[in-house]
Amino acid sequence: NAGVTQTPKFQVLKTGQSMTLQCAQDMNHNSMYWYRQDPGMGLRLIYYSASEGTTDKGEVPNGYNVSRLNKREFSLRLESAAPSQTSVYFCASSGARLVPFEQFFGPGTRLTVL
Amino acid sequence: AQSVSQHNHHVILSEAASLELGCNYSYGGTVNLFWYVQYPGQHLQLLLKYFSGDPLVKGIKGFEAEFIKSKFSFNLRKPSVQWSDTAEYFCAVNVRGYQKVTFGTGTKLQVIP
Repeated sequence: NAGVTQTPKFQVLKTGQSMTLQCAQDMNHNSMYWYRQDPGMGLRLIYYSASEGTTDKGEVPNGYNVSRLNKREFSLRLESAAPSQTSVYFCASSGARLVPFEQFFGPGTRLTVL
Repeated sequence: AQSVSQHNHHVILSEAASLELGCNYSYGGTVNLFWYVQYPGQHLQLLLKYFSGDPLVKGIKGFEAEFIKSKFSFNLRKPSVQWSDTAEYFCAVNVRGYQKVTFGTGTKLQVIP
């Protein structure tokens, strides 16, 4: 039982390049989330998916797109990376029957955009 | 939209000192409340949660938090901190019926041996 996994762990991009961050969970959770963590700003929600087939914008969606590929997987895409997107990205899932809305986090992806 | 305020950005304590970290939220309806901890180099993990019932909730590693509805607060406490409690602590709020969870900006705790 791996929980929430994310790939890659580290990535360096040049301005204008694109990439996709992958996230998968094996807990049969309905909801999945993408956050970015920046110093002094806590975690800010980029996009979330309340269930398979649905996605919604969070606080900071500009410059990102998401795909809920199936119940397990939720990917985040940067179409044209910008230095302002340098951050640590965390994927999370929730939906445990006894503890709704408790979120389980992946190990994070540290992204640097030059 | 709900918001969460954590007033202490950086706290430094000596081992065995008592800890209280403040958390206030701005939503008048029914909420679920959480404290998460992030140890250096690791991902966030749940410390404790409040959904309903006894407003004093106990979590892992000796932490507890008290929900005071009239003050919109959910402060985290520990009677005696250890060096291993050095971490960043995040308060989070979920409005009942909605999927989103809003996080505070975090408090970095440094415990000096």
